[in-house]
Amino acid sequence: EPEVTQTPSHQVTQMGQEVILRCVPISNHLYFYWYRQILGQKVEFLVSFYNNEISEKSEIFDDQFSVERPDGSNFTLKIRSTKLEDSAMYFCASSAYQVEAFFGQGTRLTVV
Amino acid sequence: SQQGEEDPQALSIQEGENATMNCSYKTSINNLQWYRQNSGRGLVHLILIRSNEREKHSGRLRVTLDTSKKSSSLLITASRAADTASYFCATVRYSSNTGKLIFGQGTTLQVKP
Repeated sequence: EPEVTQTPSHQVTQMGQEVILRCVPISNHLYFYWYRQILGQKVEFLVSFYNNEISEKSEIFDDQFSVERPDGSNFTLKIRSTKLEDSAMYFCASSAYQVEAFFGQGTRLTVV
Repeated sequence: SQQGEEDPQALSIQEGENATMNCSYKTSINNLQWYRQNSGRGLVHLILIRSNEREKHSGRLRVTLDTSKKSSSLLITASRAADTASYFCATVRYSSNTGKLIFGQGTTLQVKP
């Protein structure tokens, strides 16, 4: 069964460092998303991506964040200068028809 | 406004019992979805119910939707220890050309063997 894969599963980084979280969405999906979940809190929408551009971004998704689909298969989330409050689980998701979303297993980002 | 608020926040039952989780939302919806999250893992889509549907079944899952009350419930029958997880309802909010999921806080279900 096709699945969304995310790497790494866990990333520890120093505050102020740049991190890139990687995702391989399901191959025939057209819509891509990043969500995050701070420990013990609800899953929050960060950004949606369609047709090689950002469709919508949340207030969380400030200038420190960027997304790319560099080669037609990978979908990356970059945080330029990490802050302690960026520590969270980051989930990538993809969807064929904007109905059911398929989520990856997540990357646990710990900023120290 | 918050979409998809679940109650109870936590539920503990014995294996074999039924588990019912409720979700309320504030704005009109096209559909409502339920997801499961095992501890520290990704979200798994369970079931989707459209706004013109009142009830839907999938295996041991039964979802109801009452659009007049803006509420939904997820019933898991004959629960198993493997059902232990967090359950989230989510509504879709469409803008421009994509939709985003708005999740509630979730219900943490523990099924004791």
